[in-house]
Amino acid sequence: SQTIHQWPATLVQPVGSPLSLECTVEGTSNPNLYWYRQAAGRGLQLLFYSVGIGQISSEVPQNLSASRPQDRQFILSSKKLLLSDSGFYLCAWSHFGLSLSYNEQFFGPGTRLTVL
Amino acid sequence: RKEVEQDPGPFNVPEGATVAFNCTYSNSASQSFFWYRQDCRKEPKLLMSVYSSGNEDGRFTAQLNRASQYISLLIRDSKLSDSATYLCVVNTLTGGGNKLTFGTGTQLKVEL
Repeated sequence: SQTIHQWPATLVQPVGSPLSLECTVEGTSNPNLYWYRQAAGRGLQLLFYSVGIGQISSEVPQNLSASRPQDRQFILSSKKLLLSDSGFYLCAWSHFGLSLSYNEQFFGPGTRLTVL
Repeated sequence: RKEVEQDPGPFNVPEGATVAFNCTYSNSASQSFFWYRQDCRKEPKLLMSVYSSGNEDGRFTAQLNRASQYISLLIRDSKLSDSATYLCVVNTLTGGGNKLTFGTGTQLKVEL
């Protein structure tokens, strides 16, 4: 069965500090990978998605970046955090393919980031 | 108009009640639909997928009306453990691939 891991679970960082959040998936090959942010009281916002190693698509302009150095590893980074970067960051995966069922996305446990 | 709209609630219902949530979407090209459940401070978990007119799984029934661009989730015989936020999610094929758009969720509180 497939599992998705994220770490750290909780993070408190000062404004201007760097950020690195990691996500790994087990039990599947060539997954589509996603980074979302959920701000308090708001819906999930897609930040980045990747359909393969080194392939990153950005959905919104921001001071965050993403990388996919390995097939099942997805990293979210920032060089300098802003107060507005606070939120609940969720990594998700889906199967690669055209079947409608492959649009189902499965989420990791998330990282709760507070920028002070 | 928001891409996916849900009544935020909260819906406070007694244990054993039947409750229904509604969701409307704006993009008529949307292909598939999902309901996710999210517990407080946890990740969303897939509850049901809807690819045709509807889907049923135990106490949960989802229905899709493409003409009205409307999806519903019905929960029968509510349990205390059903208390959560229910997210309506719409999948649309765009130039950049499949895109999931999430509603902001409907909060359900099941009480004794």
